[in-house]
Amino acid sequence: QVQLKESGPGLVQPSQTLSLTCTVSGFSLTSNSVHWVRQPPGKGLEWMGGIWGDGSTDYNSALKSRLSISRDTSKSQVFLKMNSLQTDDTAIYFCTVVPFDYWGQGVMVTVSS
Amino acid sequence: DIQMTQSPSLLSASVGDRVTLNCKASQNINKNLNWYQQKLGEAPKLLIYYTNNLQTGIPSRFSGSGSGTDYTLTISSLQPEDVATYFCFQYNSGPTFGAGTKLELK
Repeated sequence: QVQLKESGPGLVQPSQTLSLTCTVSGFSLTSNSVHWVRQPPGKGLEWMGGIWGDGSTDYNSALKSRLSISRDTSKSQVFLKMNSLQTDDTAIYFCTVVPFDYWGQGVMVTVSS
Repeated sequence: DIQMTQSPSLLSASVGDRVTLNCKASQNINKNLNWYQQKLGEAPKLLIYYTNNLQTGIPSRFSGSGSGTDYTLTISSLQPEDVATYFCFQYNSGPTFGAGTKLELK
């Protein structure tokens, strides 16, 4: 069955780079698109960006200058890297597969010194 | 970017009530809209896809409608387990979420 699971550091220092991994199973990354969505504590959801089956990427214009999404199809993993983190990047980060029906459980990332 | 405006932001209703949640897009999104339910500490759960298609396993009391810029999620008879926050999500272009409607029991 389709599964996604996010992993990464729970704490990142301000100005540093966040690196997250989404490990998927039950589908192929070459035929499907995986996206990242985040949710600050107590707030709404924000689409960050995604990587398509052909390897092309789309990014939220507000994050584009700081964000990079890539993948390793052999390991069924999608990666998120975002630099210059600030406290307002504190959030739960989710990965989801198009048509946005299956989601990981999310990983909480706190930006703090 | 397409803005999604949900209303109301907070809705109080009684068990058995018919409940309507609204979502308005800043431009035509061609029915490319999903509805999600999110409970505290959980990932969003897809209820309705492409405006009016019920996701597998979702109770039939949930339904969606709309076109152009205006969309609606209806719960025909509110149940206690429906207490949650509901988000609309457009994927027509530059995907965006609405800010959510928090549904509580009166």
